[in-house]
Amino acid sequence: AQSVTQLDSQVPVFEEAPVELRCNYSSSVSVYLFWYVQYPNQGLQLLLKYLSGSTLVKGINGFEAEFNKSQTSFHLRKPSVHISDTAEYFCAGGGQGAQKLVFGQGTRLTINP
Amino acid sequence: NAGVMQNPRHLVRRRGQEARLRCSPMKGHSHVYWYRQLPEEGLKFMVYLQKENIIDESGMPKERFSAEFPKEGPSILRIQQVVRGDSAAYFCASSPDRGSEQYFGPGTRLTVT
Repeated sequence: AQSVTQLDSQVPVFEEAPVELRCNYSSSVSVYLFWYVQYPNQGLQLLLKYLSGSTLVKGINGFEAEFNKSQTSFHLRKPSVHISDTAEYFCAGGGQGAQKLVFGQGTRLTINP
Repeated sequence: NAGVMQNPRHLVRRRGQEARLRCSPMKGHSHVYWYRQLPEEGLKFMVYLQKENIIDESGMPKERFSAEFPKEGPSILRIQQVVRGDSAAYFCASSPDRGSEQYFGPGTRLTVT
């Protein structure tokens, strides 16, 4: 069975500092991976996705993630964060077809001025 | 193109009442997914439907929960005889076909008193 683990429940960083949110997955079949952002009291917005091809995926709002098959990781990075990036971030994975997404527990990113 | 719409956005029910949550997929999308987010947790898959068919209900509780996606009208998630543990945010997502990216609605926050 596929599982997705986000290693940090909370990540505080200072504004303009770099950030990495960690995500590991387990799967024995072809895998699709996603990062979503959830602002307070809102739904989920897709940041980026990995389906196949280049292992470095660029998304919206300056975020990027790297698919690492040997380490079964899909960490999210941003070189310089802004106050507006304060939100909950979810890593999710799906098997072939990606109908049923499995979500990590979420990482709360807090940006301090 | 309007996004995924869910209503109501907030729903309060007393224990033992019924809750009906509605989801209108994006135009042209015939695949609907329901997820539940308990407080401080990630989203958990509940059910995947196509028009008039339940494709995967492996995440649905065995009792009191049901879902439908009729030929006409929105998808409905129905919870009978609600209990306090049903309090959560319920998210609907839609996609144009099997395996495509899922677009999420704003969610319905159910509170059982």
